[in-house]
Order: sequence, then C-alpha cells, then structure tokens
Amino acid sequence: NAGVTQTPKFQVLKTGQSMTLQCAQDMNHEYMSWYRQDPGMGLRLIHYSVGAGITDQGEVPNGYNVSRSTTEDFPLRLLSAAPSQTSVYFCASSYNRGLGQASHTDTQYFGPGTRLTVL
Amino acid sequence: GENVEQHPSTLSVQEGDSAVIKCTYSDSASNYFPWYKQELGKRPQLIIDIRSNVGEKKDQRIAVTLNKTAKHFSLHITETQPEDSAVYFCAASKGRYSSYKLIFGSGTRLLVRP
Repeated sequence: NAGVTQTPKFQVLKTGQSMTLQCAQDMNHEYMSWYRQDPGMGLRLIHYSVGAGITDQGEVPNGYNVSRSTTEDFPLRLLSAAPSQTSVYFCASSYNRGLGQASHTDTQYFGPGTRLTVL
Repeated sequence: GENVEQHPSTLSVQEGDSAVIKCTYSDSASNYFPWYKQELGKRPQLIIDIRSNVGEKKDQRIAVTLNKTAKHFSLHITETQPEDSAVYFCAASKGRYSSYKLIFGSGTRLLVRP
C-alpha cells in the first residue's frame, strides 16, 4: 500500500491563480480530510468527506472547494489564490469499515504534505 | 465549536527525564483524544490515543491520561531519548469514528538534551 499520497510536493502560485492539490489513498478509507498547517498554529481543518459524494466544511473553508467523486481521491481546489493561503497542506484519511472494531479502525493517516507559496 | 489549548509551547528536558504536555478542550461532548508526533519536514504520525470511556492508556514509554470532569488530557513521556525531540500535537473530536474532523492544539516543541 502506498497509503496517502499528495501531489505536488511544492508549488508556487501568483495571487489570483487557481490550482488543485491532489490527494489519493489506497487503504479503502471512507473518511478523508484536508488540513492546513501554519507556523505556531497547529493544523486546522479545511474540509472533510465521509464518503463519495459527501463533503462538509471544517474550521477554515473559505477560499477552498472540494469534491469526492471516488472513494480514493479527494482533491482540494484553490479558486483564487491569496498570500494568506501560503501554508503546508496535509490530506488525511481514516476508517476502513471492513476492520470492524479493531483498535486502529479509525486511526487517521496523513499524507506527506504540499508546501504552497502564494506570491 | 471545539477549542483545544496546549501547553507548554516549548519544552526542554534532559535525556532520561520525563516530559509532560497538557491540553484542555472546551466541548464536553468530545470523546476522542489522539496525540501526534511531527518531526521536522515530516507528516504528523499518531503515537497514542484515548477515548472518553478510559481514564488512562499506556504504550511502553508513552502514556495519556484523561480527566473528563476538568476537560483536560495529558501526554507523559518517560525516560526521554534524543529521538523523542519533535513537535507534539494534541487533538479532540466527538462522535463515533470521528478522527476525520480533529481539532488540534497549537503544538509543543520538545527538545531532549543528550
């Protein structure tokens, strides 16, 4: 298993540009989430999904869109990039229903992150 | 909504000593409390978690305690080693299988001096 993968690893954008951060998982997880990490502020939840076709907002959703057309993929779209969106973005996934009540059933696994700079 | 506060922001200990990191949460309905370790430039990795029906959980040198009445939980690392140096994050969520919507604390940078 590759686990949770994210592309690209690094990205530089100009203000106003749009882009999509890709996230994929091969662990048959139902739940997927996007977080951003800024220095000294920990991780903040942007959007999450509890299954294909189902998404919801987290703590800081403004300026971002998500969709979940398949179980495996959960892309994050920046509609019009702003310098305030400079951050490290982590995708995460959890909950393999097939594991039943196993202790690690809903452990959340993180991808390697995308470092985004908006000029 | 939920708010998680974490203290201290930095912690320096001598190798072999113990380290304690504390978090408080605001939503009494929260019932899942994981701790993540993040090394420089790496992704967060779960090191231990606890649910609200348990007061304490231990895994080798790491333990977590939960006080539901006071709404705080703590990470205890005994016999610290240089490889324990990292940033540690606490988090909280509510609901069954709710790890997908964690609210994180701001992190503690732990330095273990050899």
